[in-house]
Amino acid sequence: AQSVTQLDSQVPVFEEAPVELRCNYSSSVSVYLFWYVQYPNQGLQLLLKYLSGSTLVKGINGFEAEFNKSQTSFHLRKPSVHISDTAEYFCAVRRSNDYKLSFGAGTTVTVRA
Amino acid sequence: DVKVTQSSRYLVKRTGEKVFLECVQDMDHENMFWYRQDPGLGLRLIYFSYDVKMKEKGDIPEGYSVSREKKERFSLILESASTNQTSMYLCASSFLGPESYYEQYFGPGTRLTVT
Repeated sequence: AQSVTQLDSQVPVFEEAPVELRCNYSSSVSVYLFWYVQYPNQGLQLLLKYLSGSTLVKGINGFEAEFNKSQTSFHLRKPSVHISDTAEYFCAVRRSNDYKLSFGAGTTVTVRA
Repeated sequence: DVKVTQSSRYLVKRTGEKVFLECVQDMDHENMFWYRQDPGLGLRLIYFSYDVKMKEKGDIPEGYSVSREKKERFSLILESASTNQTSMYLCASSFLGPESYYEQYFGPGTRLTVT
């Protein structure tokens, strides 16, 4: 079995400040990792993914994430947020021998001017 | 662009009604998924299908069934709706192929209220 833990349910942040969203997972097999974003009243959109190779992955809208195998983490970062980054962010994990995703509970980011 | 569409954005039904939620994708994806999304619980998989007429239970299948008669269409059925099925329902699809294609593409969601 695998589980995904997003350590912060709510993250308030001021515009142009940096933000980090934390994600930890547990799995007995190798995994593929994803971050999705859900803007208000919309479906989920892929921000970035880690499949293999470099542990630092860059995604859309200036986001990046780092895979740390020893700490089983995949934290998402953005150096300077905009009001438009206000959304809910989901970390998701897929086992290498499966096509199902397991999602974390989500982190709501609210960016204030 | 991949497009996943869901038949309704908002739906209100009464307890005991049979409810159909429809999902259509236009990218010839083999895999299709139904999730429900609840605050503080993230997305939980209800059912998925990896081929026409094939289905597998997800984590919370109780009270739901699915139908996939055509590759592009995946229906979620609530046989007898109950108030605890009030939720946001999200459909997704993905290729069954090289690992880089296992990304799931999501529809806009259907917010179902059962009264």
